[in-house]
Amino acid sequence: EAGVTQSPTHLIKTRGQQATLRCSPISGHTSVYWYQQALGLGLQFLLWYDEGEERNRGNFPPRFSGRQFPNYSSELNVNALELEDSALYLCASRRGGIRNEKLFFGSGTQLSVL
Amino acid sequence: AQSVTQLGSHVSVSEGALVLLRCNYSSSVPPYLFWYVQYPNQGLQLLLKYTTGATLVKGINGFEAEFKKSETSFHLTKPSAHMSDAAEYFCAVSLFSGSARQLTFGSGTQLTVLP
Repeated sequence: EAGVTQSPTHLIKTRGQQATLRCSPISGHTSVYWYQQALGLGLQFLLWYDEGEERNRGNFPPRFSGRQFPNYSSELNVNALELEDSALYLCASRRGGIRNEKLFFGSGTQLSVL
Repeated sequence: AQSVTQLGSHVSVSEGALVLLRCNYSSSVPPYLFWYVQYPNQGLQLLLKYTTGATLVKGINGFEAEFKKSETSFHLTKPSAHMSDAAEYFCAVSLFSGSARQLTFGSGTQLTVLP
């Protein structure tokens, strides 16, 4: 069974550009989470999608947005990139159902903003 | 509100020594607690989790953690460190609130294993 896959592995952008990060959950998983791991800050919750809808978002500005497609894959978009957006972005998925806690994580996309 | 505090951003132990990574949480209701490990250039892997029941939880790779409600702690231990345990470890707490929930992670502890 394939795990959570993220693309691209590395992404280099310049300040002011837009970045699009992609995530494919494990087959059968309907919930997708996005996390940002900036150096020294640990994991910060970004967004949670379930059944195609945004269920919750963390304390990030509106230029961080995303969507979930009918096949449950997801995109994270970051507009007007700033230097401090440089981080590892992790996607995680799980089966639907409020009691199922186990998250499976992808290997992440390393975003570098120059 | 919920938060997770991991004491010590870096921990070094000798190979064969006890590993102890500390995690304290704050939550107004009984939480679900997790430990994740992140090896270099990889995503997170679940080590173990506590939901309900037995307070001593055993995970993969010989790790275990004990939920102590009175101390609001969920420390991670391993009796004998191996070189392959070198990684970053994250403690996390999950809280249900209606239909919305999320994991809150600690800032991570980098474990170095010395030969």
